Amino acid sequence: QLQLQESGPGLVKPSETLSLTCTVSGGSISSSSYYWGWIRQPPGKGLEWIGSIYYSGSTYYNPSLKSRVTISVDTSKNQFSLKLSSVTAADTAVYYCARHNLIYGDYDPVLDYWGQGTLVTVSS
Amino acid sequence: SYVLTQPPSVSVAPGKTARITCGGNNIGSKSVHWYQQKPGQAPVLVIYYDSDRPSGIPERFSGSNSGNTATLTISRVEAGDEADYYCQVWDSSSDPLGVFGGGTKLTVL
Repeated sequence: QLQLQESGPGLVKPSETLSLTCTVSGGSISSSSYYWGWIRQPPGKGLEWIGSIYYSGSTYYNPSLKSRVTISVDTSKNQFSLKLSSVTAADTAVYYCARHNLIYGDYDPVLDYWGQGTLVTVSS
Repeated sequence: SYVLTQPPSVSVAPGKTARITCGGNNIGSKSVHWYQQKPGQAPVLVIYYDSDRPSGIPERFSGSNSGNTATLTISRVEAGDEADYYCQVWDSSSDPLGVFGGGTKLTVL
């Protein structure tokens, strides 16, 4: 059974960089059928897609965050990572990693496996 | 950018049918996915590509999509269906952008 697990600091200071890693177990991150991505949810609010990455390193980002976001992949560790720079209190959220399943081949993926999420608080 | 509009809340009695709508400009031309999220838990996919159901999701869950509205229908609602439901599409006008609706809180009376 595929599992995704987020890890990283739960507290980040304003203006610093948020860094999270998602470890994939029970399956290979190098499969041609999937992208891997990040979604966040501020407390009490809805879901916001951040971006995704292919095992080759190809990425898509939410334009609203693109100037501050970097998603990278380490196939040797079966992990992918998120970096969000210059954070403010508005970046406080639960961050989820999720598998983007390219069921029909083109980029219209289904988010079919999710990590449990990790709360990141931005505060001094 | 593309906007998805959901009602903030829907209430239904046990055993009845709940319908949760997701509005968007010509959404019928897009594939809609639906996620269920219970408090303190990660979202779970319940419907994908408008009307397909993942394994393990009860047949009570169904979906449709036409014109400017997609609908998630839950038949014979149970107490355990109480959750937030989110619709989601990909806006591919330029690079693909994942777009979620604002979410609908389903309350089982």
